[in-house]
Amino acid sequence: EVRLMESGGTLVRPGGSLRLSCVASGFTFRDYWMAWVRQAPGKGLEWVANIKHDGSAQFYADSVRGRLTVSRDNGKNSLFLQLNSLRLEDTAVYFCARVDGGDRPAFAYWGQGTLVSVSS
Amino acid sequence: QMTQSPSSLSASVGDRVTITCRASQSIGRTIGNYLNWYHQRPGKGPTLLLYGTTTLQSGVPSRFSGRGSGTEFTLTISGLQPEDVGTYYCHQSYSNTFGGGTRVDI
Repeated sequence: EVRLMESGGTLVRPGGSLRLSCVASGFTFRDYWMAWVRQAPGKGLEWVANIKHDGSAQFYADSVRGRLTVSRDNGKNSLFLQLNSLRLEDTAVYFCARVDGGDRPAFAYWGQGTLVSVSS
Repeated sequence: QMTQSPSSLSASVGDRVTITCRASQSIGRTIGNYLNWYHQRPGKGPTLLLYGTTTLQSGVPSRFSGRGSGTEFTLTISGLQPEDVGTYYCHQSYSNTFGGGTRVDI
């Protein structure tokens, strides 16, 4: 069974930093691209970042480029999101997701999410 | 940009429900390959329903179907069930853009 479990979300001040983690199980983690998607309270889904299976390339939404960094440790089946210079508008539940599909890519599996609250 | 309609709907058990997703512009390739649908229940992570416009994800009931081409795509639930309540999102995976969501109630 594919499982993704996020952690690390908490209350943080504007301008602060935070690192989110996502531990994967039930599949060969190093074979898959992974992604972070976030959802502000009461709002829709917003893609944040993708990372290639081997970590050699990352792709970011314009709204987070330069402040958020995605990385992975294939030896520990773990995905990370470093959040720096946090803003009020970064408040959201952050989901990690597995990217499937090759020429028809989709977020096939999702975690339950971890809440990041940015507030003074 | 992906525009979903309606933003919400209420239907009865057994009804046929259709949700539409429109892309604001062509991306110059087969956008259908990149059009996906998700279902999200309150407080939960989304689940993939269909990918590549028409392909049902493993384990998803056959009452869900998708079609479309160009810039207009639809998700149809043929025989709404109580467990289908929640919010549905379209997703264009070429630029990773989500629609605004359609909330479905019974």
